[in-house]
Amino acid sequence: ETGVTQSPTHLIKTRGQQVTLRCSSQSGHNTVSWYQQALGQGPQFIFQYYREEENGRGNFPPRFSGLQFPNYSSELNVNALELDDSALYLCASSAGLAGTTNEQFFGPGTRLTVL
Amino acid sequence: DAKTTQPPSMDCAEGRAANLPCNHSTISGNEYVYWYRQIHSQGPQYIIHGLKNNETNEMASLIITEDRKSSTLILPHATLRDTAVYYCIVRVAGNTGKLIFGQGTTLQVKP
Repeated sequence: ETGVTQSPTHLIKTRGQQVTLRCSSQSGHNTVSWYQQALGQGPQFIFQYYREEENGRGNFPPRFSGLQFPNYSSELNVNALELDDSALYLCASSAGLAGTTNEQFFGPGTRLTVL
Repeated sequence: DAKTTQPPSMDCAEGRAANLPCNHSTISGNEYVYWYRQIHSQGPQYIIHGLKNNETNEMASLIITEDRKSSTLILPHATLRDTAVYYCIVRVAGNTGKLIFGQGTTLQVKP
């Protein structure tokens, strides 16, 4: 069974640029959630996708957007990057709609640095 | 959303039990208590969850008080590899199931 994978591992961008982060969910999982973790803080929920539809969003501006594909992999896109977007971006997958008690399994994250 | 309160840090001797407390006094009747941990620079790892009964798995035990206002995660025989930030999370009701992480407890296991 393959776990959650994310790419790239590290990324450096400059202010104003756009970035796309990728996540492959664990086999059999159809729900993907994205989190942002600033240095020294706990992860913050960005949004969740279930069967290719957004299914809940945290307090993040519209320049944070996402996609989920038929194979349940997902992308996180961030436009007009700001310095405060520098963080570890985490993807988590789970089986079924996450209103159940199914636990979320996290990937290793993508470290984004905005200069 | 229910919130949790955890001590910022704790120490534990290797081989001894680590008992990590969590207060969640505003928890709703249909909300579960989840525990995750995050080892430095890695993604959070699921440990255990429960509603009102005590739970045990190969990693840990979860003790929830009868009034459900607090819980304790127990690592029965802590090892150096258990050094991590431990997050106590109350699962949000509704169908998003988003996890709301607080600051967590940094557990340092010492030889």
